[in-house]
Amino acid sequence: AQSVTQLDSQVPVFEEAPVELRCNYSSSVSVYLFWYVQYPNQGLQLLLKYLSGSTLVESINGFEAEFNKSQTSFHLRKPSVHISDTAEYFCAASRQGGSEKLVFGKGTKLTVNP
Amino acid sequence: NAGVMQNPRHLVRRRGQEARLRCSPMKGHSHVYWYRQLPEEGLKFMVYLQKENIIDESGMPKERFSAEFPKEGPSILRIQQVVRGDSAAYFCASSPLDFPNQPQHFGDGTRLSIL
Repeated sequence: AQSVTQLDSQVPVFEEAPVELRCNYSSSVSVYLFWYVQYPNQGLQLLLKYLSGSTLVESINGFEAEFNKSQTSFHLRKPSVHISDTAEYFCAASRQGGSEKLVFGKGTKLTVNP
Repeated sequence: NAGVMQNPRHLVRRRGQEARLRCSPMKGHSHVYWYRQLPEEGLKFMVYLQKENIIDESGMPKERFSAEFPKEGPSILRIQQVVRGDSAAYFCASSPLDFPNQPQHFGDGTRLSIL
């Protein structure tokens, strides 16, 4: 069975500081990996995904994540955060060749302070 | 291009009543997924449907919960005889045939409160 672990439930940072949100997965088979962002009272929006190929994937708003197979990790990073990045971030995995369901971590609340 | 539409956004029911949650997928999407989010928890998969077929219901509680995605109309998640523990946010997602190249798109959710 798959599982996704987000090690930090809350991450407070100051504006313009770098941030890393950690995600580890456990699976006996190959997986696809995703990061979603959720703003209050809204649904989830896809931030970026890893399917295959280059292990470093980037989003349009400055976030990036690196797939590390040996460490079974998919950490999310941003070199300089903005107040508007305050949200909850979810890491998710989907088994390759499976039923397409997403297995989510418990989420990390990122709070960017001025 | 409208996104995934869920209604109602908020639903209040008393214990023992029925709750019906509706989800209209994005245009052109033939796959629908339902997830439940409990407070301080991530989303938990419930069921995956295609038109008129349940593909994976491994996350559905064995009793009181059912889901359908008819040939015409929205997908419905139905909870019979609701209990306090059913209080949660229920999210619907949809995707076209080309998952995962085309990812799952989420609606804004239905927040169910049980009195």
